[in-house]
Amino acid sequence: SQTIHQWPATLVQPVGSPLSLECTVEGTSNPNLYWYRQAAGRGLQLLFYSVGIGQISSEVPQNLSASRPQDRQFILSSKKLLLSDSGFYLCAWTPRGRGSSSNQPQHFGDGTRLSIL
Amino acid sequence: EDQVTQSPEALRLQEGESSSLNCSYTVSGLRGLFWYRQDPGKGPEFLFTLYSAGEEKEKERLKATLTKKESFLHITAPKPEDSATYLCAVRGLFSGGYNKLIFGAGTRLAVHP
Repeated sequence: SQTIHQWPATLVQPVGSPLSLECTVEGTSNPNLYWYRQAAGRGLQLLFYSVGIGQISSEVPQNLSASRPQDRQFILSSKKLLLSDSGFYLCAWTPRGRGSSSNQPQHFGDGTRLSIL
Repeated sequence: EDQVTQSPEALRLQEGESSSLNCSYTVSGLRGLFWYRQDPGKGPEFLFTLYSAGEEKEKERLKATLTKKESFLHITAPKPEDSATYLCAVRGLFSGGYNKLIFGAGTRLAVHP
């Protein structure tokens, strides 16, 4: 069966420091991958998605970037964190396919709680 | 623009007191409506997918229904372990090849013994 792992689970960083969050999917190949941020009391905001190695699309302009160095690895990064980057970051995946197989739910990792001081 | 609105924002129930959560949506051609459960500090856990009006799905004490404008998540005789935030999301015809979902803000459900 497929599993998705995110780490670290919690992170406390000073303003201006760099960031690297990692997400890995097991048990599948060629997945679509997604990074979301969830603010308290608000819906999930899609930050980035990827349909393949090295292919990254950004949904909103921001201080963050994403990379996909391997098929099942998705990384969220920043060179200099801002206070506004605090939040709960979630990684998700779906199978990549055609027809009905392309309309599958997204499956989420357990997230990273990022606090900026 | 595709939109999802969930109500109420928070719901407090006594154990055994049945109720419903609402998800109203606006989307250009619905490809699917998805319900998730999210426990504090965890990622959303997939519950159901509904594809067309009139469709119903059930799992234990939960039953999801779909019309052309909204979906309901009915909770029958809830237990304290049903306490969680329930998220609704839609996928439209123009979500692109990356299967984008639009999420509502969720309903926080608390079931007290």
